[in-house]
Amino acid sequence: GAVVSQHPSRVICKSGTSVKIECRSLDFQATTMFWYRQFPKKSLMLMATSNEGSKATYEQGVEKDKFLINHASLTLSTLTVTSAHPEDSSFYICSARQDRGWDTEAFFGQGTRLTVV
Amino acid sequence: GQNIDQPTEMTATEGAIVQINCTYQTSGFNGLFWYQQHAGEAPTFLSYNVLDGLEEKGRFSSFLSRSKGYSYLLLKELQMKDSASYLCAPMDSNYQLIWGAGTKLIIKP
Repeated sequence: GAVVSQHPSRVICKSGTSVKIECRSLDFQATTMFWYRQFPKKSLMLMATSNEGSKATYEQGVEKDKFLINHASLTLSTLTVTSAHPEDSSFYICSARQDRGWDTEAFFGQGTRLTVV
Repeated sequence: GQNIDQPTEMTATEGAIVQINCTYQTSGFNGLFWYQQHAGEAPTFLSYNVLDGLEEKGRFSSFLSRSKGYSYLLLKELQMKDSASYLCAPMDSNYQLIWGAGTKLIIKP
């Protein structure tokens, strides 16, 4: 299957700093990538849909200025958590959608465990 | 609105068979995914159904009935490593996955 690489897998940062998370589709082009956040024992929550070459579409309640998403190429999307606070600590997962004509499938990155201290 | 309903938790015995049911309501439908998620890890793809019927893939099978808004994941010959959460995720008309809270499956020896 297709591979999506997410980096870093774990990051600890100080309050007030910014953290960038990368999501790369290694062997296919992804015009659409999704960013999710997951709290312990909770469902995945879609934060935003990232489309190559255009602005991301954010879900209601997600702060655009805090969670900056850039999808500059067909294989790379980045999520930057700006001015991080302890409540931003969470598991962040990206997903890249592969459209193969006859079907579509979404592949997940490994996830990033963010801890803000 | 859009809604996913699956049991919160199930327990089964090693070597047995378990069926995890999922009912859904979405705005449009473009197939349904099942994912497995071990604690602290990203979900991994198990199956994708877009037509009615049963899709078999090794020890795992997935069934879909679009008219009933119903799917199930069948796991055979359960192994301890199958202990995980199983997420049913239909795709709506915008090709967006709709996520439920998942079913936590506990396998006992």
